[in-house]
Amino acid sequence: AQKVTQAQTEISVVEKEDVTLDCVYETRDTTYYLFWYKQPPSGELVFLIRRNSFDEQNEISGRYSWNFQKSTSSFNFTITASQVVDSAVYFCALSVGPSGSARQLTFGSGTQLTVLP
Amino acid sequence: DAGVTQSPTHLIKTRGQQVTLRCSPISGHKSVSWYQQVLGQGPQFIFQYYEKEERGRGNFPDRFSARQFPNYSSELNVNALLLGDSALYLCASSRTGATRPEAFFGQGTRLTVV
Repeated sequence: AQKVTQAQTEISVVEKEDVTLDCVYETRDTTYYLFWYKQPPSGELVFLIRRNSFDEQNEISGRYSWNFQKSTSSFNFTITASQVVDSAVYFCALSVGPSGSARQLTFGSGTQLTVLP
Repeated sequence: DAGVTQSPTHLIKTRGQQVTLRCSPISGHKSVSWYQQVLGQGPQFIFQYYEKEERGRGNFPDRFSARQFPNYSSELNVNALLLGDSALYLCASSRTGATRPEAFFGQGTRLTVV
């Protein structure tokens, strides 16, 4: 069985600060995908980033960056120079197996991020 | 292209009733999945359908059922509603293949059982 743990329940930062959201996952599969989603108050889950288990290269996309480390089963997400509009619940998610299995996601419990002006 | 659309957006039902939720995937997406999100928790996987066949089922009772139509839209049915079924029900669609495995979600249907 798969499991995703987001130990941070709530984080509060002041605008322009950098913030890192932690995610630890568990799976016995060797092929898997990891995702980060954002859920604003409207409720819709918005896809942000993904990484597959064969690519540990960390990347930066605009204000977003991620740190994927298989050795510690972690997939952390960083927002640089946070903005008030970044306030939302952020979910880390895992899918296992070949690419088609991305349709069956295991989510963490989410981290509520509040960015104060 | 339009995103994933769900209807209705809000619904109030009485305990014991039945409810049907609808989902239209993004054009070109053949897979539809359903998730239940109880307030304060992460979404929980209910069903996945691909090419009109059930390809996965989460740990939910038989009161929950779903189907996918030839145009890839989908319905989620819940019978004999319980107060605990009150939640946000999310539909997601995705492509096939390894290049774009991510799922895209609709705005959800908020179901309240009274």
